[in-house]
Amino acid sequence: DADVTQTPRNRITKTGKRIMLECSQTKGHDRMYWYRQDPGLGLRLIYYSFDVKDINKGEISDGYSVSRQAQAKFSLSLESAIPNQTALYFCATGYAGNQPQHFGDGTRLSIL
Amino acid sequence: EDQVTQSPEALRLQEGESSSLNCSYTVSGLRGLFWYRQDPGKGPEFLFTLYSAGEEKEKERLKATLTKKESFLHITAPKPEDSATYLCAVQADYGQNFVFGPGTRLSVLP
Repeated sequence: DADVTQTPRNRITKTGKRIMLECSQTKGHDRMYWYRQDPGLGLRLIYYSFDVKDINKGEISDGYSVSRQAQAKFSLSLESAIPNQTALYFCATGYAGNQPQHFGDGTRLSIL
Repeated sequence: EDQVTQSPEALRLQEGESSSLNCSYTVSGLRGLFWYRQDPGKGPEFLFTLYSAGEEKEKERLKATLTKKESFLHITAPKPEDSATYLCAVQADYGQNFVFGPGTRLSVLP
């Protein structure tokens, strides 16, 4: 089983809809992250959480919100989806300090 | 502002043809530089961490090196299964978060 699991893997929806992407992990890491990946732009940080009571905005948080339901669960919501939010979305986990982050296999989101 | 660039954007090699990928960075101080491999439809898979200039790490046909301004990922005698996008990321001294480069898309032809 994957250490970092994202659901759904693919989603097609319409402009204005509310969408939730979910991430769960079995690695025991305190820190969890949400990124989006667009061609030519690399991975950009949306939100991150260092523990259940700690939520922080990343580089591109506008239009997104998150919830850390438990140490192992971190969800990303698009309250009213718009077409330029079409992208690959990745969840990652990690320890504090200069340790690598570990990624799920992503959600491909298309907003029509 | 911390920045990471990678070159080339895409690289096509014949099987067995060695080459190098470049990751250039500008940060105030470096806590770590990370190399990842990403296959289509998958999330980035961690390869190496480098912490200080002069450090080297190896894994099979891959070798990563680090200077004060850039890192190289050397691929020796590549095989088709090495085809993937290779990402690098830096973590700055003062920050907690990673800054990723756009990646190099490597294709190894049989």
